Amino acid sequence: GAGVSQSPRYKVAKRGQDVALRCDPISGHVSLFWYQQALGQGPEFLTYFQNEAQLDKSGLPSDRFFAERPEGSVSTLKIQRTQQEDSAVYLCASSLEGVASNQPQHFGDGTRLSIL
Amino acid sequence: GDSVTQMEGPVTLSEEAFLTINCTYTATGYPSLFWYVQYPGEGLQLLLKATKADDKGSNKGFEATYRKETTSFHLEKGSVQVSDSAVYFCALKDGYSTLTFGKGTMLLVSP
Repeated sequence: GAGVSQSPRYKVAKRGQDVALRCDPISGHVSLFWYQQALGQGPEFLTYFQNEAQLDKSGLPSDRFFAERPEGSVSTLKIQRTQQEDSAVYLCASSLEGVASNQPQHFGDGTRLSIL
Repeated sequence: GDSVTQMEGPVTLSEEAFLTINCTYTATGYPSLFWYVQYPGEGLQLLLKATKADDKGSNKGFEATYRKETTSFHLEKGSVQVSDSAVYFCALKDGYSTLTFGKGTMLLVSP
């Protein structure tokens, strides 16, 4: 498809398990962003890639969160030793140019993560 | 730091009513302003944007004007439809930063 694709759409895990969330951006998009959206809240920034380089990870809430984009295309957000407070929708977005431009960010449908 | 404040919802309207959703912002520079819409179970879609003071963004009958003097970007529509029911997010982008979102305002339109 032409849009940002995220998988899985839903993920249920037990507390303490590791999870991996995948984002497939729009082909050719330079920038890739991850956001966390808690129930009833707006998305909050987690991390940003320009091609394969992770230029900003200031929003990652703890060192249990790790993101990569090794070939400058698909990205994976990994959460280790999950906690109940990690339950949220994780949104991925991509844009054509770098973060300094005003090119719009295109969002995927998100992965809803539930930690039991 | 940058922040966005939106009116709390839900906003409940009858079809064909006039819509206003208030949004004010705080930013250190001269941000670009956005409205995104999120339908149930879906990701965010860009609705409209404005990149400088006095710009008016418009799309699908929705409008918002960038008011620097009041640091506002209120969303308006003259006649809402049931299909407009969704959550609306105001957001800003300041220079090299990424998007900063408000908490969202749910709109419910009844026939």
